[in-house]
Amino acid sequence: DAKTTQPNSMESNEEEPVHLPCNHSTISGTDYIHWYRQLPSQGPEYVIHGLTSNVNNRMASLAIAEDRKSSTLILHRATLRDAAVYYCILRDMGGGADGLTFGKGTHLIIQP
Amino acid sequence: SAVISQKPSRDICQRGTSLTIQCQVDSQVTMMFWYRQQPGQSLTLIATANQGSEATYESGFVIDKFPISRPNLTFSTLTVSNMSPEDSSIYLCSVELNTGELFFGEGSRLTVL
Repeated sequence: DAKTTQPNSMESNEEEPVHLPCNHSTISGTDYIHWYRQLPSQGPEYVIHGLTSNVNNRMASLAIAEDRKSSTLILHRATLRDAAVYYCILRDMGGGADGLTFGKGTHLIIQP
Repeated sequence: SAVISQKPSRDICQRGTSLTIQCQVDSQVTMMFWYRQQPGQSLTLIATANQGSEATYESGFVIDKFPISRPNLTFSTLTVSNMSPEDSSIYLCSVELNTGELFFGEGSRLTVL
């Protein structure tokens, strides 16, 4: 799977939007963009995934650049519970289904 | 969604012994994976647990050290053999749904003395 680059950490205030960036310049045509997060002392939790079009669900929105070389996870109104490590992962769905390859992720800190 | 139960949730073991971790899912799933998360680190994929055949191991992980069983579509075990303090980690089971989402168990925290 192609590699992603994320900032090590970000800080935001409670009840404000948060934009978490991810660069994936070597993405292939069959790579889906997945986002997971890991709260302290818990297993990772699925957030959202997409291929080309922007995606919305109850947790977040995923904005994908037109050239697909970058994407942004958007938390519309951060709460203290959103403090976690956020992982941006590319997964090739074109041939078989391998497990996810986790990078270091972005440690999101939410200030009250 | 899926509900994953891992046992034990934590254990303290002596060097040289082996521990088997169980993963039970509340529905039939095709893909099941085992991960390791060392202290302060990200997750590393150990292997894919294949139902009815040998597991597929990632580079750096071997069957003798981490034997895996997958007798059916809802259950798998991971054994950590001949443990050393370097094996102290959280071991997580993960399953994939038809939607492409992966669900993770809460993990089994292993400390080797």
